[in-house]
Amino acid sequence: QVQLQESGPGLVKPSGTLSLTCAVSGGSINDSNWWSWVRQPPGKGLEWIGEIYHSENTNYNPSLKSRVTISLHKSKNQFSLRLTSVTAADTAVYYCARDFEGAKGPWGQGTLVTVSS
Amino acid sequence: QSVLTQPPSVSGAPGRRVTISCTGTNSNIGAGYDVHWYQQLPGTAPKLLIYGNINRPSGVPDRFSASKSGTSASLAITGLQAEDEADYYCQSWDSSLTGSVFGGGTKLTVL
Repeated sequence: QVQLQESGPGLVKPSGTLSLTCAVSGGSINDSNWWSWVRQPPGKGLEWIGEIYHSENTNYNPSLKSRVTISLHKSKNQFSLRLTSVTAADTAVYYCARDFEGAKGPWGQGTLVTVSS
Repeated sequence: QSVLTQPPSVSGAPGRRVTISCTGTNSNIGAGYDVHWYQQLPGTAPKLLIYGNINRPSGVPDRFSASKSGTSASLAITGLQAEDEADYYCQSWDSSLTGSVFGGGTKLTVL
């Protein structure tokens, strides 16, 4: 079955760029699926960040669109998230997930990214 | 402020039935977009519980069921067990935002 694993720096400085990668195993990133990023600030709810299709079409949360880029890395069976000009409000656990019939599943285990100097 | 509205908390005694509501608008649930539900146990990633309004992925007990009507949806859990204590989230698609939207989450306490 498909499994996802996030990786990247756990600490990013304010005004810097957050970069995360999601490694996909047990399935191909080239399959006809959308691949998503979702985040969860400490003690708060889930926020959808955006998604990318195997054709590389993307959809982004309007509140983050000016700062977000999601990309596919087909040769590595990975996709990535780039968020620029980060502030403390971007501190969160970041999850990657595969879309399944419009829903999100499975999910990666999540990775905590803290924005602090 | 989440696009989809859920009660912050619900509770129930073991063995009882609880429901969690998810209220949207005519640009998401009311527009006919599917509603999906997730269970998030403490300290873990969300897990898909219900997809396509009413469908359970394999491995999800039939104690969990869901429905949708108009601009709202609901999740029902029967025969409450201690291990059901978790946060539950609904999710749909919003045509105005052109993106997925989540409810604010509901914390279920098993008394």
